[in-house]
Formats: sequence, C-alpha cells, structure tokens
Amino acid sequence: KQEVTQIPAALSVPEGENLVLNCSFTDSAIYNLQWFRQDPGKGLTSLLLIQSSQREQTSGRLNASLDKSSGRSTLYIAASQPGDSATYLCAGPRGGNQFYFGTGTSLTVIP
Amino acid sequence: DTEVTQTPKHLVMGMTNKKSLKCEQHMGHRAMYWYKQKAKKPPELMFVYSYEKLSINESVPSRFSPECPNSSLLNLHLHALQPEDSALYLCASSHRQGYGYGYTFGSGTRLTVV
Repeated sequence: KQEVTQIPAALSVPEGENLVLNCSFTDSAIYNLQWFRQDPGKGLTSLLLIQSSQREQTSGRLNASLDKSSGRSTLYIAASQPGDSATYLCAGPRGGNQFYFGTGTSLTVIP
Repeated sequence: DTEVTQTPKHLVMGMTNKKSLKCEQHMGHRAMYWYKQKAKKPPELMFVYSYEKLSINESVPSRFSPECPNSSLLNLHLHALQPEDSALYLCASSHRQGYGYGYTFGSGTRLTVV
C-alpha cells in the first residue's frame, strides 16, 4: 500500500523567499509523481508531473525532483509571491493504477 | 481543449432528493475518476472508469451511483445522501488508466446535504 506524507503541514514565509516542500512515499516502485496546487474551495491545478525515468522537472519558478531510492520528492519554489499562497499536494500511484494523495502543505506567503 | 468541466459548481440537496453531478472532457482521455474531498483533507478516490467501464469502486456506498455514458462524459448520481456526504466532489481524467499518465482535474462541485 502506498503511503504519501508531506512535510511541513503548514508553512508561512515572507515574500521573496525560496522554499522547499517535501513529499515522502513508501513504495519505491513508483512510476511517476505529480504536484498539484489547490486554492481554497477550488479544484486542483497540475503543476508538474515527474516520470520515474526523470530526476526533475521545471516550470517557471517551480522545480520538482524525484528520488525513488529514498522515496522522496521535493517542490522548490523560487522567489515566492503572495499569489503562491495555496495548498500544495503531491500524488503518487498506488498499484500503478491511480494516484493517491499526500496530506498537503498549506503555504502562506506574506507580502 | 485541455479542461475538465464540472457542473454544477454548487449544489444543495435534501436527504430525500435525487441529483446528478456531471463531468466532461474533450481531451481524448479514456480514464476518468471521481474523488471526494472533505475540508482540510486530501482528495479520496471513489471510482475509476477506464474505456467507459467501471474499473475501481473504492467501497463507496450505493447512494452514490456513477455512470459513464460515453468517452467524454462522467456522471455521479446521488440519492438519499446524508449530511456527512457534504464535500467537494472532484472529477479527473488521464490519457489512460495506468502508469505514467498525469491527471487533469476539474474545478469541483461543492455539495451540501441538508
């Protein structure tokens, strides 16, 4: 059974800081991992999808890495902005069929 | 078109009502999913459809009845719900069910059962 854990559960940073969100999974036979952003009461917006053959993916100020051997993924956000405030969720496959979600990190960027 | 569209955005229903949630995508994805999300919790998988056939039912109560009438549409029929079923219901799709495919989510339906 795949267990996905995210640390920290909540994070508050001043605007402009670089930050790292962590995601840990128990099943190293992971095929991919996807990072999402969710604004309060809204749906999920896909940020980055990392295939198992990749080590990292980048999109703008976001960079996600995947280390299967240690069972960890990180999401790096550069030069944080108040608009980055949201809950960030990582999701990994369970049984290779569908994603199950981590517990989420609630990010607040203070102007 | 790279979106998953869910309707309605908000729904209030009584415990004796029958209602349906609708999800539509035109990306040619052949796997579609229903998730339920309670406040401050991660989404929980309910159903998976692959090529219009029910592939996974995560032991969801029968008062929730999914339907996939074609490759673009996914419905969730609701009947005799309980107040604890109030939640955000999210639909997602992926190219195929299986390894390596990322998910696209809709904006969700906020359901309140009174």
